[in-house]
Amino acid sequence: DAKTTQPNSMESNEEEPVHLPCNHSTISGTDYIHWYRQLPSQGPEYVIHGLTSNVNNRMASLAIAEDRKSSTLILHRATLRDAAVYYCILNYSGGGADGLTFGKGTHLIIQP
Amino acid sequence: DGGITQSPKYLFRKEGQNVTLSCEQNLNHDAMYWYRQDPGQGLRLIYYSQIVNDFQKGDIAEGYSVSREKKESFPLTVTSAQKNPTAFYLCASNQYLSGNTIYFGEGSWLTVV
Repeated sequence: DAKTTQPNSMESNEEEPVHLPCNHSTISGTDYIHWYRQLPSQGPEYVIHGLTSNVNNRMASLAIAEDRKSSTLILHRATLRDAAVYYCILNYSGGGADGLTFGKGTHLIIQP
Repeated sequence: DGGITQSPKYLFRKEGQNVTLSCEQNLNHDAMYWYRQDPGQGLRLIYYSQIVNDFQKGDIAEGYSVSREKKESFPLTVTSAQKNPTAFYLCASNQYLSGNTIYFGEGSWLTVV
């Protein structure tokens, strides 16, 4: 069963903000929300993660809904290098592979 | 530099042959994983290992085998029993603690000829 739901694709213009949504209505209190992105023929790379509070790092921001059933990855100013597939996963805080299920992700297209 | 190294990057296999994909990490991570990715699809878990000398099947383990004799190494063998092995294979690792970041290798392309 898919633990997260993401749109198949999104399109944005260069230098504009991008908001990538993720629904995770069955999230448990111990699940961390992780985001990764993958360029063609490369392994996914870590973007950001959070538990309850919104998070910021040099790559992006993560906004987590108060009920934690959804989250949004925010790229503040998209560049062409941000074009990738973005995966939202629930990383079970107890470890193991139960929480390491990757769906198809969102294919982000950036228009120049 | 710390990281995960997969080899080879590209591999061609004849039908009926077994092949082994290498995965080495120097991050001192307890857990290691193998995923398969088909074009345009997400990642599917093949096998994972939480500690040395122990591993568990993932969602699509049939036709694959693994070993975990050393903490830093987790090779994947694609056997002749795997009927459609052509895919992109990804190795990953993380520290087996709460919500820890997963690190991926660069991947290996396997093609059956």
